[in-house]
Amino acid sequence: GAGVSQSPSNKVTEKGKDVELRCDPISGHTALYWYRQRLGQGLEFLIYFQGNSAPDKSGLPSDRFSAERTGESVSTLTIQRTQQEDSAVYLCASSFSPGATSEQFFGPGTRLTVL
Amino acid sequence: AQRVTQPEKLLSVFKGAPVELKCNYSYSGSPELFWYVQYSRQRLQLLLRHISRESIKGFTADLNKGETSFHLKKPFAQEEDSAMYYCALENTGGFKTIFGAGTRLFVKA
Repeated sequence: GAGVSQSPSNKVTEKGKDVELRCDPISGHTALYWYRQRLGQGLEFLIYFQGNSAPDKSGLPSDRFSAERTGESVSTLTIQRTQQEDSAVYLCASSFSPGATSEQFFGPGTRLTVL
Repeated sequence: AQRVTQPEKLLSVFKGAPVELKCNYSYSGSPELFWYVQYSRQRLQLLLRHISRESIKGFTADLNKGETSFHLKKPFAQEEDSAMYYCALENTGGFKTIFGAGTRLFVKA
């Protein structure tokens, strides 16, 4: 079966523009995670969804970041008024259920470059 | 504060030599610990997790609560082990996974 997919694979935008990043999880996976990876750094947890709900949004870097999930499937991460420091690879992962007993499967990532 | 530290950005060993990738964590409770690996041009994937007590591709990792460490070891490195390795912890009862900055392992022929 298909793994986690993300689109676009690459996005170049100008400072101040809004961007939307999409994640399609593995079918049947109830948990979905978003991470950010800046160059030379580890993954930074942003948010996770259990079904369509996000119990903990404290990882979002600022109020310019928002995320939603619909139909317990597709998720969209939106960054408003992008800044150069938003440049990073944004990774999405899904798992059958949340928690350490369920393996997270990662997508290929979206490389965002803010000029 | 919850933190995962991987002190080595790059580790280079010869094929057949033992390898140890260091990971130290800071967490007040009992975390769940993981090692993830990313091979060239591939996705990040789970290598092993503490709760499973498993050995994958010859790698093992032992949790040392006294030293708050979860080092990844393999007795005889292979060229195909060359990759980026990330140590991670998940807080018990929550679903936030915290990653270290990663160690690039290069196994020379």
